[in-house]
Amino acid sequence: TQLLEQSPQFLSIQEGENLTVYCNSSSVFSSLQWYRQEPGEGPVLLVTVVTGGEVKKLKRLTFQFGDARKDSSLHITAAQPGDTGLYLCAGEDGGTSYGKLTFGQGTILTVHP
Amino acid sequence: DAGVTQSPTHLIKTRGQQVTLRCSPKSGHDTVSWYQQALGQGPQFIFQYYEEEERQRGNFPDRFSGHQFPNYSSELNVNALLLGDSALYLCASSQFRGAYEQYFGPGTRLTVT
Repeated sequence: TQLLEQSPQFLSIQEGENLTVYCNSSSVFSSLQWYRQEPGEGPVLLVTVVTGGEVKKLKRLTFQFGDARKDSSLHITAAQPGDTGLYLCAGEDGGTSYGKLTFGQGTILTVHP
Repeated sequence: DAGVTQSPTHLIKTRGQQVTLRCSPKSGHDTVSWYQQALGQGPQFIFQYYEEEERQRGNFPDRFSGHQFPNYSSELNVNALLLGDSALYLCASSQFRGAYEQYFGPGTRLTVT
């Protein structure tokens, strides 16, 4: 059974600060996705990374896939209150589990004005 | 372009009853996956449907079953409801060739009393 561990579980910061969320596994993934979820809504896809060492940027968000494709990080620069939410990483390992996403437990981010 | 839609939004059932949840995928998508998300947790994969067949299944009992229709919409059925089945049920759609990039609906909040 593949597991994804996210850290930290909770993050409470002031507007303007930087932060990093980590997603780690002992298993190799073919692809890894980051989602953001707000209360009472479904997760919204932010990015997909598929190549080891890949870095993608989405405005103030930077996503990195580890060289061995076992870990990933999400870095937010100059956080804003609108960034508040639950951040989830999800991995897919292809092969016989093609299309089956394994999610981490999530990181609850609160950005105070 | 309509995204993934789910119905109903909320549902309250009694232990032992049966429930059916419905999902319409995003336009152009042919694959539907179902997830269960308990409070404070990441989503857990239930199963995936493509070409009206169950292609992948997670660690859920046979009380959980599904169906996909020719128009790609899908149903999730849960029999003999338990208190522990209370959760947010999420539907995600994708194209089969890119099944790792899944787009989620808003979910159905099921409460079992």
